[in-house]
Amino acid sequence: AQSVTQLGSHVSVSEGALVLLRCNYSSSVPPYLFWYVQYPNQGLQLLLKYTTGATLVKGINGFEAEFKKSETSFHLTKPSAHMSDAAEYFCAVSWNSGNTPLVFGKGTRLSVIA
Amino acid sequence: EPEVTQTPSHQVTQMGQEVILRCVPISNHLYFYWYRQILGQKVEFLVSFYNNEISEKSEIFDDQFSVERPDGSNFTLKIRSTKLEDSAMYFCASSEQGSETQYFGPGTRLLVL
Repeated sequence: AQSVTQLGSHVSVSEGALVLLRCNYSSSVPPYLFWYVQYPNQGLQLLLKYTTGATLVKGINGFEAEFKKSETSFHLTKPSAHMSDAAEYFCAVSWNSGNTPLVFGKGTRLSVIA
Repeated sequence: EPEVTQTPSHQVTQMGQEVILRCVPISNHLYFYWYRQILGQKVEFLVSFYNNEISEKSEIFDDQFSVERPDGSNFTLKIRSTKLEDSAMYFCASSEQGSETQYFGPGTRLLVL
């Protein structure tokens, strides 16, 4: 079965430091890739997505992610962490075009230390 | 900005009772989905719905579950006889036709006692 792996269930960074959240997926078939963020007591908010075109994708709040087909990865980065970035981050993948179910990773909880 | 809404935000029920979780998808979206997240686990797909029919469902979506679009705006998930293991956060999502991008609601946290 196709799967999504997020390395590290909890990542802690200092305010102003680089944020790197890792996501790998199981198939070499080009997928559609998403990062969602869940702030405490809120729903899933779309952070960014890759569907086609440029492999470096920019999202909201200064986040970006790069699709690397050879590594089957879609890691999320932000140059400088802010306290407000503390949340749960989910990588999700769809292996078919159109309206098909998303397969989620387990999520990574990001803590930002002052 | 249009958003998916869900009610209630929290529901507590006794084992064996029926629950109905409600969702209002984004108005011009035609595809609707339910996902669930058991505490500490992954978000899992339950079912997708299009044109008043289930278009796809997972193994989790057994005979205890049903979905319905009772009117032009609501989309519901019914659990006929709840079990302890149904305790989870249930997310509704919607998408435009032909789009891979799904927009999620805030979730309903269901606790079965």
